[in-house]
Amino acid sequence: EIVLTQSPGTLSLSPGERATLSCRASQSVSSNRLAWYQQKPGQAPRLLIYGASSRATGIPDRFSGSGSGTDFTLTISRLEPEDFAVYYCQQYGGSALYTFGQGTKLEIK
Amino acid sequence: QVQLQESGPGLLKPSGTLSLTCAVSGDSISNNNWWSWVRQTPGRGLEWIGEIHQSGNTNYNPSLKSRVTVSVDKSKNQFSLTLSSVTAADTALYYCAREASYGYSLGYWGQGTLVTVSS
Repeated sequence: EIVLTQSPGTLSLSPGERATLSCRASQSVSSNRLAWYQQKPGQAPRLLIYGASSRATGIPDRFSGSGSGTDFTLTISRLEPEDFAVYYCQQYGGSALYTFGQGTKLEIK
Repeated sequence: QVQLQESGPGLLKPSGTLSLTCAVSGDSISNNNWWSWVRQTPGRGLEWIGEIHQSGNTNYNPSLKSRVTVSVDKSKNQFSLTLSSVTAADTALYYCAREASYGYSLGYWGQGTLVTVSS
């Protein structure tokens, strides 16, 4: 089973700053099978990025994804107040079809 | 738009059976999509449980496979989760979800329902 490790666990930044979140896989992941989600308190996860770098419908262009193989990155170019949340990466494949990272909490500094 | 709504008992006793239903609106469960159950706990994070296709084909997480059944009711446009022999470790927020149109991700989620296993 592929294990996804996200870093950092918590990221403290201010609105307007750039956020860089990392997701590392224990084995190579096909790029079209890597996704990112945002989750706010009391809400379900929301799909942000699919195929490692494609934005889902309605997602602002300040969100971007990149990476390949075992290293993937979610970048938020200029943080808005509504961006402070928990972010998860997810890969598809293997015996447990969907596996998720443990999450990165993005908090206001 | 596609909406999913979970329902079911919020409290179960150990060794009992968890049964949840996900009502789908804005989409037909008979369309060519996979419908999933995912649970979330503070300790284990997000854990995919299993999925079903309108054809009846299913896939399950091997860690839960012996206790899980996912079924579909096309007449009611809903799908269900059954998890047997529950313990406190099955206490979680349970979500139903639909695969995204792009594939390999979950594009639509219910709001989640909390299930507590306690004597």
